[in-house]
Amino acid sequence: QAVVTQEPSLTVSPGGTVTLTCGSSTGAVTSGHYPYWFQQKPGQAPRTLIYHTNNKYSWTPARFSGSLLGGKAALTLSGAQPEDEADYYCLLSYSGVGEVFGGGTKLTVL
Amino acid sequence: EGQLVESGGGLVQPGGSLRLSCEASGFTFSSYWMNWVRQAPGKGLEWVANINRDGSAKYYVDSVKGRFTISRDNAKNSLYLQMNSLRADDTAVYYCSGSSGYWGQGTLVTVSS
Repeated sequence: QAVVTQEPSLTVSPGGTVTLTCGSSTGAVTSGHYPYWFQQKPGQAPRTLIYHTNNKYSWTPARFSGSLLGGKAALTLSGAQPEDEADYYCLLSYSGVGEVFGGGTKLTVL
Repeated sequence: EGQLVESGGGLVQPGGSLRLSCEASGFTFSSYWMNWVRQAPGKGLEWVANINRDGSAKYYVDSVKGRFTISRDNAKNSLYLQMNSLRADDTAVYYCSGSSGYWGQGTLVTVSS
């Protein structure tokens, strides 16, 4: 099955902006991979932030946004808050095969 | 507000079986694809299986094909995962989730003698 790649770790300053990316070993990520983004804090279940590239749920903070950028899916956090420190995972769908998570990005707000 | 509640986890010997359940409430369960996702201790998320809205299409990660079976009962708002021939590397917290965006709290499966 495909391998989905994410930055292992990133650091952002409070109030700053950071972009996390999600690439695929099969080539460019497109809207047809229906990218999802999830946030997980220690000891908690994951929370879905973004679905189908750039759509938000009612609970998704406005400072999070999704996009396609340079052949990858991207999650941008604008105006980072201390409570945004967490692990972030992307999920890509491969038609007729199934889905694959990325390895996760540990985001530090410092 | 939607909710998913998993049950059925526990300690099982290698080669044994378990059936996980996930009960949905607060949203139209039958309208959404559903997933099982697992997380081994200290590791990242791993997609295990998913099922379409009416149960006619099912997909699995290679490592569980032939051993695990996903199913759903829309009349009971429930998702299931039958796990057979369990191995030590199946040890993980198992979550149900779906395209609704909701996640359960997880249920721990430990495979050990």
